[in-house]
Amino acid sequence: AQSVAQPEDQVNVAEGNPLTVKCTYSVSGNPYLFWYVQYPNRGLQFLLKYITGDNLVKGSYGFEAEFNKSQTSFHLKKPSALVSDSALYFCAVRGQTGANNLFFGTGTRLTVIP
Amino acid sequence: DTAVSQTPKYLVTQMGNDKSIKCEQNLGHDTMYWYKQDSKKFLKIMFSYNNKELIINETVPNRFSPKSPDKAHLNLHINSLELGDSAVYFCASSQESSGGLGELFFGEGSRLTVL
Repeated sequence: AQSVAQPEDQVNVAEGNPLTVKCTYSVSGNPYLFWYVQYPNRGLQFLLKYITGDNLVKGSYGFEAEFNKSQTSFHLKKPSALVSDSALYFCAVRGQTGANNLFFGTGTRLTVIP
Repeated sequence: DTAVSQTPKYLVTQMGNDKSIKCEQNLGHDTMYWYKQDSKKFLKIMFSYNNKELIINETVPNRFSPKSPDKAHLNLHINSLELGDSAVYFCASSQESSGGLGELFFGEGSRLTVL
């Protein structure tokens, strides 16, 4: 079975400060990990994914995520937060053995304070 | 052009009614999905179709029936609506052949309210 956990329901950060949104995963086999963002009343937008290769993955809007196998984590980061980054962030893991759906975490609401 | 489009965006109806939500993707993807997002924002897969073939059918009441007339369309029909069906339903698509592992592209969602 595969799952992801987002331990923080809410993250607050001041504009201009670095931000981190945490995600840990549990999979059997290779982890295929994703981050999505959801703005109010909108669909989910893809930010970045880790399939294989470099542990530091760069994505849209200046976001990046670091894959850490020993800690089974895939935290989302940004060096300098913008007010417009305020949104709901979802970590997700691919299904295994032919299943092609994503299993989502419970989401973390990021608020960037001006 | 919108990549994944769903209609209607809002749907308010009475308990016991039957309703449909339509989804179309113009990305040329071979796989489409329906997800349900509840009031706590939790996202759960409902169905997945690959080239019109049902791949995933999670534990969903029989009142929910997906229909894929072609690989660009995946519609969701719901019979005998109940209060607990109130949620936002998201359609998504991805390209799974030739290696797969593609990201999912989501529509804007259809907010269903059952009174």
